[in-house]
Amino acid sequence: TQLLEQSPQFLSIQEGENLTVYCNSSSVFSSLQWYRQEPGEGPVLLVTVVTGGEVKKLKRLTFQFGDARKDSSLHITAAQPGDTGLYLCAGGNFNKFYFGSGTKLNVKP
Amino acid sequence: KAGVTQTPRYLIKTRGQQVTLSCSPISGHRSVSWYQQTPGQGLQFLFEYFSETQRNKGNFPGRFSGRQFSNSRSEMNVSTLELGDSALYLCASSLMGVTEAFFGQGTRLTVV
Repeated sequence: TQLLEQSPQFLSIQEGENLTVYCNSSSVFSSLQWYRQEPGEGPVLLVTVVTGGEVKKLKRLTFQFGDARKDSSLHITAAQPGDTGLYLCAGGNFNKFYFGSGTKLNVKP
Repeated sequence: KAGVTQTPRYLIKTRGQQVTLSCSPISGHRSVSWYQQTPGQGLQFLFEYFSETQRNKGNFPGRFSGRQFSNSRSEMNVSTLELGDSALYLCASSLMGVTEAFFGQGTRLTVV
């Protein structure tokens, strides 16, 4: 059983479309991180959200931490082929660090 | 600030052999975690070392082991390699272990 559930698992969209990826848990996390991973490479940290209700923007990416600090979302505006990759959420809880199973995004030109 | 360095990047081994992978964390980080990633299974947690002690362990057989040195560098060892051990092995460095982690580029292990 995954402590962090991500949805959807797969997403294939056309360039220019908007999308939202979700990361949900029944546990409270002190912070959540989002990573993007390209094939054959290590995940790269995109953002850390700490405060319940926090919203962070990174160019066309908007990250939100739920008020209860149990869930998070990643919204991409006007997706581009360069956004293609595996998006992972992660969080620390009671001395352990957990990863979601990931959302595989494919943006077609 | 140098990132996380994993060596080697690529490795081909034969069934039954053993392999040692190395990870140098970000300077000042005391926690090093190891993950196995395969296409079908996603990121699977192997173990975490903090200040030379194994603090957490995933659900892997005893053929998988690791250690951490006083300078926080870590190694993981897989003995009696099986075909199913072929994967991308990732090392992550963190200040305290439950804060944000920074990954190396990984070691791609192929067992033939």
